[in-house]
Amino acid sequence: AQSVAQPEDQVNVAEGNPLTVKCTYSVSGNPYLFWYVQYPNRGLQFLLKYITGDNLVKGSYGFEAEFNKSQTSFHLKKPSALVSDSALYFCAVRDVGDYKLSFGAGTTVTVRA
Amino acid sequence: GAVVSQHPSWVICKSGTSVKIECRSLDFQATTMFWYRQFPKQSLMLMATSNEGSKATYEQGVEKDKFLINHASLTLSTLTVTSAHPEDSSFYICSATSTGDNQPQHFGDGTRLSIL
Repeated sequence: AQSVAQPEDQVNVAEGNPLTVKCTYSVSGNPYLFWYVQYPNRGLQFLLKYITGDNLVKGSYGFEAEFNKSQTSFHLKKPSALVSDSALYFCAVRDVGDYKLSFGAGTTVTVRA
Repeated sequence: GAVVSQHPSWVICKSGTSVKIECRSLDFQATTMFWYRQFPKQSLMLMATSNEGSKATYEQGVEKDKFLINHASLTLSTLTVTSAHPEDSSFYICSATSTGDNQPQHFGDGTRLSIL
């Protein structure tokens, strides 16, 4: 079984400040981890993924995420947030060999000017 | 690259009508497509998985006769909501992925279905 937890329903930051969105996961084997962003009335946009290799993964729009196996975490980060980063963020995981994604509940990010 | 087009983006129709939603991968071959349902401010709920040329695999609790899925080619999957009722009103999102264990799913922009 696989699952994802996003412990924060909402994250609020000021523009220009660092942004972190937390994610922890549970899988029986090795995880494939993903971050997606959703804007209102839109589908999900792929931001980045961790498959193997370097624990720090860089993605689209200046986002990055760090895979931490011991803490089973995959937190999303951006050094300097923009107002346009305000959206709903989903962390997702799937086990190697499994085609289905398990999504977290989502975290709403609000960046104030 | 990896663009998924979903059509229509918004549908309003009367109760009892059947509604077809199309999902197309525009620049890659989608060996597997997924259909999700999303309620307001909630996560995505997987409804079914379809592989080109074979029957869809439905998740537990999803009515096969209610939500008909066809994946006739490597670039097109359709979801038909048959005899729709107000409780079927929701945001439906498709995604597609190509062959390869580490490929991400790429999502369409969703279809807002409102049944009156």
